[in-house]
Amino acid sequence: QVQLVQSGAEVKKPGSSVKASCKASGGTFSSYAISWVRQAPGQGLEWMGGIIPIFGTTNYAQKFQGRVTITADESTNTAYMELSSLTSEGTAVYYCARERLQSPGVFDIWGQGTMVTVSS
Amino acid sequence: QSALTQPRSVSGSPGQSVTISCTGTSSDVGGYNYVSWYQQHPGKAPKLMIYDVSKRPSGVPDRFSGSKSGNTASLTISGLQAEDEADYYCCSYAGSYTNVFGTGTKVTVL
Repeated sequence: QVQLVQSGAEVKKPGSSVKASCKASGGTFSSYAISWVRQAPGQGLEWMGGIIPIFGTTNYAQKFQGRVTITADESTNTAYMELSSLTSEGTAVYYCARERLQSPGVFDIWGQGTMVTVSS
Repeated sequence: QSALTQPRSVSGSPGQSVTISCTGTSSDVGGYNYVSWYQQHPGKAPKLMIYDVSKRPSGVPDRFSGSKSGNTASLTISGLQAEDEADYYCCSYAGSYTNVFGTGTKVTVL
């Protein structure tokens, strides 16, 4: 059974960048997309963007265009999300999730989340 | 890409049914049959409960059902149980390989 294992918690200064990783354990990314979803403390889920590793294509939510970069390394079955120009609003849990290509928006496996704290 | 609109909270007694609405536009909910629902307990990652409007993944109780009419999708929990108390989020495909989540609904079992 595939699991998504994410990198550990980070503390960042305002204006800096953060890069989180998401490794597929027990399987591969083939035939799936990987999306990143953000959840600020006490707030709802927010889709940030995704990548289809076998094609290398990415799509981002308008809100994050220009600030987020999602990449994937098929050789290690690892996806990455880099968010730049961090502000206090960036304090959140960042989840990666496996998305079925045949059914957009169907996130059937989730990582455990990476807590990012933005503080001076 | 505005968030889909959900009621902030709904509640019901054990055994009752509750329905959560998820309202979008013709560019998301109304335009595609790709609405999914997620359950999230405090401190946990979300869990897929319904996909493609009304399909249930294996292992999800048949007490959970989904439907859609126009720009509004709905999740119904029948025979409410204590363990159903959680936050629920809808999600819709919004075209051009983008997705949008709902604002979230807290379900309380009285």
